[in-house]
Amino acid sequence: GAVVSQHPSWVICKSGTSVKIECRSLDFQATTMFWYRQFPKQSLMLMATSNEGSKATYEQGVEKDKFLINHASLTLSTLTVTSAHPEDSSFYICSAGGGGQYRNEQFFGPGTRLTVL
Amino acid sequence: AQTVTQSQPEMSVQEAETVTLSCTYDTSENNYYLFWYKQPPSRQMILVIRQEAYKQQNATENRFSVNFQKAAKSFSLKISDSQLGDTAMYFCAFMKHLNTDKLIFGTGTRLQVFP
Repeated sequence: GAVVSQHPSWVICKSGTSVKIECRSLDFQATTMFWYRQFPKQSLMLMATSNEGSKATYEQGVEKDKFLINHASLTLSTLTVTSAHPEDSSFYICSAGGGGQYRNEQFFGPGTRLTVL
Repeated sequence: AQTVTQSQPEMSVQEAETVTLSCTYDTSENNYYLFWYKQPPSRQMILVIRQEAYKQQNATENRFSVNFQKAAKSFSLKISDSQLGDTAMYFCAFMKHLNTDKLIFGTGTRLQVFP
């Protein structure tokens, strides 16, 4: 299957700072990338869907100005948590989907654990 | 809107035994995909098995098989010959039949395999 990486895997930051998380598809072109948030012992909550070269589509209740998503190329999407606060502490997971043999399936990154102090 | 329901928050099974995890969903779509994902303690999401709604035959992947009942909107996962490494959270998920649409996840079932 296709491989998706995330960087960093773990980040600690101070309240009020911004944090950027990268999601890369390593061996295929990802036309669509998804960002999820997962709280402990809970399911994945979709935050937004991004398509290469266009603005992200955010789910209801997700603050666009808080969680900035950029899908600059077919292999890279970034999530920036702006002015982070302790309540933003969570596990963030990206996934990617493509065309051809990679359509109708999502490949998941390993996740990023964010801790805001 | 589509919904996915997993009614078993926790399940346990003894090693080598068989266990079935339940999943029901609601949709007005006729063509769609259903998935079971495994999330071990590492938290990496791993695809276990996938079913295309227009295929009547139940999908199988080695020790994993599904019982797909389209009319009843049911999609259960059977794990045969359970192994300790099967201990994980299992999520059932739904996707419309589009060019990679979003996944809608159930709340998950925590499976513990005992020696």
